[in-house]
Amino acid sequence: SQQGEEDPQALSIQEGENATMNCSYKTSINNLQWYRQNSGRGLVHLILIRSNEREKHSGRLRVTLDTSKKSSSLLITASRAADTASYFCATDGDSTDKLIFGTGTRLQVFP
Amino acid sequence: GAGVSQSPSNKVTEKGKDVELRCDPISGHTALYWYRQSLGQGLEFLIYFQGNSAPDKSGLPSDRFSAERTGGSVSTLTIQRTQQEDSAVYLCASSLAGDPRFEQYFGPGTRLTVT
Repeated sequence: SQQGEEDPQALSIQEGENATMNCSYKTSINNLQWYRQNSGRGLVHLILIRSNEREKHSGRLRVTLDTSKKSSSLLITASRAADTASYFCATDGDSTDKLIFGTGTRLQVFP
Repeated sequence: GAGVSQSPSNKVTEKGKDVELRCDPISGHTALYWYRQSLGQGLEFLIYFQGNSAPDKSGLPSDRFSAERTGGSVSTLTIQRTQQEDSAVYLCASSLAGDPRFEQYFGPGTRLTVT
């Protein structure tokens, strides 16, 4: 079953604008990770946030986690054309040994 | 250092033929995962290996799919009697341990097309 659902499915913005993507999940989690995928190939890990954390930063990325609402958001500030990619959230759900990936948000940043 | 590699990068096969997809994980990573991604979709978990433990095959869609991991390193995903619905990108990932707290490192994938 799908654990994570990203919203929106697709997002188009201009360079310099901020991009916000949301992820909702169904069961309790221990941690949530965000990944990026270029051109339908391998995914690259961006950031991990634990269930006892509310916010985490990494460069232009800011991730928040609200366990009461079972949701997370990924904010990319001052976007660049090179940020164009698909972004996936992944949670451990009720399993302790594998991640369940969401459906992804396709981000297009126009120069 | 070397990342996760997969071969071939692209595979076109006729319906009914068998195919083998290979994954070379990062050296020292004990956990190895296979995923399938259909066009424009999310990742579908297929199978997971952790050390010498029995693999978690709960995601394999049918008995035509099998995988093995030799010597705790290289893994091969085999699809027998391929069907058109098997067309997808097959992604392999490895991590230091079989624990979702560790990030997964992905290979570039194998794009399988069944004609």
